[in-house]
Amino acid sequence: DVKVTQSSRYLVKRTGEKVFLECVQDMDHENMFWYRQDPGLGLRLIYFSYDVKMKEKGDIPEGYSVSREKKERFSLILESASTNQTSMYLCASSLQSSEQYFGPGTRLTVT
Amino acid sequence: AQSVTQLGSHVSVSEGALVLLRCNYSSSVPPYLFWYVQYPNQGLQLLLKYTSAATLVKGINGFEAEFKKSETSFHLTKPSAHMSDAAEYFCAVSLNRDDKIIFGKGTRLHILP
Repeated sequence: DVKVTQSSRYLVKRTGEKVFLECVQDMDHENMFWYRQDPGLGLRLIYFSYDVKMKEKGDIPEGYSVSREKKERFSLILESASTNQTSMYLCASSLQSSEQYFGPGTRLTVT
Repeated sequence: AQSVTQLGSHVSVSEGALVLLRCNYSSSVPPYLFWYVQYPNQGLQLLLKYTSAATLVKGINGFEAEFKKSETSFHLTKPSAHMSDAAEYFCAVSLNRDDKIIFGKGTRLHILP
């Protein structure tokens, strides 16, 4: 079974802090994705990556950056957390041209 | 541009009744279509996918969906609802060209005893 793990299930940070969300997949997938999920808005794509050291902006990249130094790991970085970044963050991975597999999510609260 | 519309942000059905969750898509080319389910405090799990083979697709937990090109629809059904089906359901579309998936806003399914 594909396994996608995220470093934390729940996280509380203060405004202005730098926040790292880590995602690891164990199936050698090329593609990895970061989404945020908010009530009534569904899933919105923040960033994605097709290969190591490659990254592409999604629909809402402002205030976020990413890093993919190894194929299995894709990190989402909030350079200076703000209260409007309080959300559920979901990581996913996929083989080329295939369905995405999701991690359990990280519920981030910024106070 | 591709998009997905799910009709009804909340749907309630009685236990044992038919489940019907509606999804319409727009796409300029034949799409890949997916239904995902999200249980409380969990990530999304693939229920089923359509990839241009059979138009009636069977998924896990007794769910199925039918691709209707003329109606640009991909509705999800289950003949008899169970309490464990209470969750949020997402319809999604992909053009395969860039492996991105566009998700609908989700439908929360409530099962009444």
